[in-house]
Amino acid sequence: SAVISQKPSRDICQRGTSLTIQCQVDSQVTMMFWYRQQPGQSLTLIATANQGSEATYESGFVIDKFPISRPNLTFSTLTVSNMSPEDSSIYLCSAVETTMLYGYTFGSGTRLTVV
Amino acid sequence: AQTVTQSQPEMSVQEAETVTLSCTYDTSESDYYLFWYKQPPSRQMILVIRQEAYKQQNATENRFSVNFQKAAKSFSLKISDSQLGDAAMYFCAYRSQQTGANSKLTFGKGITLSVRP
Repeated sequence: SAVISQKPSRDICQRGTSLTIQCQVDSQVTMMFWYRQQPGQSLTLIATANQGSEATYESGFVIDKFPISRPNLTFSTLTVSNMSPEDSSIYLCSAVETTMLYGYTFGSGTRLTVV
Repeated sequence: AQTVTQSQPEMSVQEAETVTLSCTYDTSESDYYLFWYKQPPSRQMILVIRQEAYKQQNATENRFSVNFQKAAKSFSLKISDSQLGDAAMYFCAYRSQQTGANSKLTFGKGITLSVRP
C-alpha cells in the first residue's frame, strides 16, 4: 500500500502567521484529503485535493483560510493561514488510489499549537 | 448525507478476551464501503478491516472480524484474543461508491478501547 510522509510532525506558531504542511506519497494516488482532529475526537474533513483543479472544501472551511495545492499525483500541501489559537489541532492527510485495493492511507499527522 | 454513529465512547476488555465494538450508519445508497480504523497514541491511522456492501460474507482479518448487517445498517467489529497492543481509538468509517470528492470517508466519533492485563 502507499506510504505517506507528512511534515512537519509538530510545530508551535505565533498567532497571525501561516504554516504549510506537506504530504508526499510514494506512489501515484487518485485522491488526497486533508483532515483536522482535536485530541481524543474524530476526524473532520477540511477538503479534497484534486490534481490539476481547485480543492473541494467542506462546509465551514474556506480557501482563504486553508489554501491547498496538488501539483501532481504524489504531493499536496495544506496551509493554515493567519492562525489563531482556535487553529491548534492535529492535521492529517490521506490518500487513496483508483482501485482502492489497499484502502485509504494516512500520514502520521501534524500537531499544531498556536500561541 | 451519510452519517456514522458510534454510541459507545469507551470500552474495556480483559487481555485474551473478546470484545465487540458497535457502529451503525445511515445511507440511501445500495453500494458502499465500510471500514474500521485503529488510531493508537502515535496518531497513525491503521486500517483494521474493510467490507464491501455487495459482499454478503463478513470480512475477517486474523483476530478481527465484522458482523455486517446491511438491512439493519450495522457494522460491528469483533476483536478476539485481545492483546495489550489493541488498546487504541477505533473509528468506523463509510465511503460512497461514487467517485471524485464523494469518495471521501465519513467517520464516526470513535471509541476508546482499553485492554486490562
